[in-house]
Amino acid sequence: AQRVTQPEKLLSVFKGAPVELKCNYSYSGSPELFWYVQYSRQRLQLLLRHISRESIKGFTADLNKGETSFHLKKPFAQEEDSAMYYCALLNNNTNAGKSTFGDGTTLTVKP
Amino acid sequence: ETGVTQSPTHLIKTRGQQVTLRCSSQSGHNTVSWYQQALGQGPQFIFQYYREEENGRGNFPPRFSGLQFPNYSSELNVNALELDDSALYLCASKGAGNTIYFGEGSWLTVV
Repeated sequence: AQRVTQPEKLLSVFKGAPVELKCNYSYSGSPELFWYVQYSRQRLQLLLRHISRESIKGFTADLNKGETSFHLKKPFAQEEDSAMYYCALLNNNTNAGKSTFGDGTTLTVKP
Repeated sequence: ETGVTQSPTHLIKTRGQQVTLRCSSQSGHNTVSWYQQALGQGPQFIFQYYREEENGRGNFPPRFSGLQFPNYSSELNVNALELDDSALYLCASKGAGNTIYFGEGSWLTVV
């Protein structure tokens, strides 16, 4: 069974500090992983996906298949990064389109 | 703006009743999925429709059913409501590169 674990419910850092939001997954196939973000009073939206190898708003995430992790990182956190972050895994195989989400991490960036 | 709209935004139902939630997807997005998000948890995959047929389902009982229409609208129907069905219900349409675009959700309270 596929599963996504975000071990930290809450994470608080000061502005300018590095931040890392952890995500671990279990999946028997080749995973496709995403990070979604939900800012206050806004809808859930895609932040980045591993296949794009892109940096969005200064965030990056590297898929580590050996450690089954997809941690989200930013070297210098900003106050506007305060939001709820969800890691998600897409199953493209047996159950078409099933995305499994972690329970989210609330990031607070203090001034 | 993702082009995914949901209605109603909030509703209250009594245990045992039936409810229909509606979603209008972005034009051209043939795939729509529905998620249930309980407080403090990540979205849980209910099912997915592609071109009006269900092609993926999560661990939800048959009293959760859906429909998708040719005009990119869809419905989630829940029969015999239970108290535990109280949650935010999210509709999402899939665009290019497996990116999911979420609506703002429908808050269902079962009393």
